[in-house]
Amino acid sequence: GAVVSQHPSRVICKSGTSVKIECRSLDFQATTMFWYRQFPKQSLMLMATSNEGSKATYEQGVEKDKFLINHASLTLSTLTVTSAHPEDSSFYICSVARPADFYNTDTQYFGPGTRLTVL
Amino acid sequence: QKEVEQNSGPLSVPEGAIASLNCTYSDRGSQSFFWYRQYSGKSPELIMFIYSNGDKEDGRFTAQLNKASQYVSLLIRDSQPSDSATYLCAVKPGAGSYQLTFGKGTKLSVIP
Repeated sequence: GAVVSQHPSRVICKSGTSVKIECRSLDFQATTMFWYRQFPKQSLMLMATSNEGSKATYEQGVEKDKFLINHASLTLSTLTVTSAHPEDSSFYICSVARPADFYNTDTQYFGPGTRLTVL
Repeated sequence: QKEVEQNSGPLSVPEGAIASLNCTYSDRGSQSFFWYRQYSGKSPELIMFIYSNGDKEDGRFTAQLNKASQYVSLLIRDSQPSDSATYLCAVKPGAGSYQLTFGKGTKLSVIP
């Protein structure tokens, strides 16, 4: 498998502030990471693909200027929600892409998630 | 548009029974298929993957793949209340991309 951490696990902020979420791959170097968002009782929604050393690829409808992604190293990707508003309140989850080896196919492993509440 | 379809449930089974979760996909070129389990309020956890036609067993879990029918299933034997969760089917389109297409998930409830 893969060990993925996210920090913070929970954050409450005021409307208009910015929040940074960190995603770390703890046991291997991840060239590719993904950021998802999940609203209550809804399915996962892919926000963007984060590639080390290059610009993130955003899904249609996701504002790149609002959700800033930086993948500056092979073990760390960050998601910054800028000027957060109550409608940005959600569960944000990152995943790392682990390439195939003898035992596995290319696989995604998820971090524990960050619950964001914007007041 | 590539789609992955799952019955949203809830699927209720008694403790000790076999739970059968089904998934169909639209992209015939898909190569790898994954089952994730997501407990309420938690992130998805990989249970198993399959990429060859037939069955693949891992403990109480069996994944079944039929590429001709574009159908993948997950069987859970001797279901336990701790298996109660939402099960997500995910499909990887092919080589060169790590991106997965997820179904909306089936909620399983195992009744003691």
